[in-house]
Amino acid sequence: GEDVEQSLFLSVREGDSSVINCTYTDSSSTYLYWYKQEPGAGLQLLTYIFSNMDMKQDQRLTVLLNKKDKHLSLRIADTQTGDSAIYFCAESKNTGGFKTIFGAGTRLFVKA
Amino acid sequence: NAGVTQTPKFRILKIGQSMTLQCTQDMNHNYMYWYRQDPGMGLKLIYYSVGAGITDKGEVPNGYNVSRSTTEDFPLRLELAAPSQTSVYFCASGRGEGGYTFGSGTRLTVV
Repeated sequence: GEDVEQSLFLSVREGDSSVINCTYTDSSSTYLYWYKQEPGAGLQLLTYIFSNMDMKQDQRLTVLLNKKDKHLSLRIADTQTGDSAIYFCAESKNTGGFKTIFGAGTRLFVKA
Repeated sequence: NAGVTQTPKFRILKIGQSMTLQCTQDMNHNYMYWYRQDPGMGLKLIYYSVGAGITDKGEVPNGYNVSRSTTEDFPLRLELAAPSQTSVYFCASGRGEGGYTFGSGTRLTVV
């Protein structure tokens, strides 16, 4: 069935770049997303990419998509302590109500 | 613009009790969803709706029911609460592509 996998933890120093990786199994996925969750809050959409794109950049965020390997990554440049959160990779299709499948989340720790 | 509003934020239920988790959105989104989040497990889809009067089961619907009488409201009903339903529940809405807007969640404990 459909599955989204990501590593559980990442620790970086303030000012460094963070790279969070994700793999998905459904090759028919149309949209791939990155969400951020801060403690005690709901998920917040950071960015998304269509499956026919290879890269998307939005200020400090860069998303790379390798469709052949079904691999998605999120790079955060100049990581700040405020970036400490859980980051969820997710995928959906434009059928069946745009249901979204989420990974388990990567907890990012930023050390000052 | 309030976005997606969930009530209550916290609730403790005894085994066998029932309750309704409320969800309202003011963005005129057609699509609405209920997810549960368990520690380290990501989010699992309980039910979803593609418009008023239309609902469908997600991955983990057992023990829950929903209704969608208006575009704005999508309540989730728990009947005969069980400890396995202890979780954080999130409601979300969207227009399809472009992702979801999430509520702030309801933390439910069943004892």
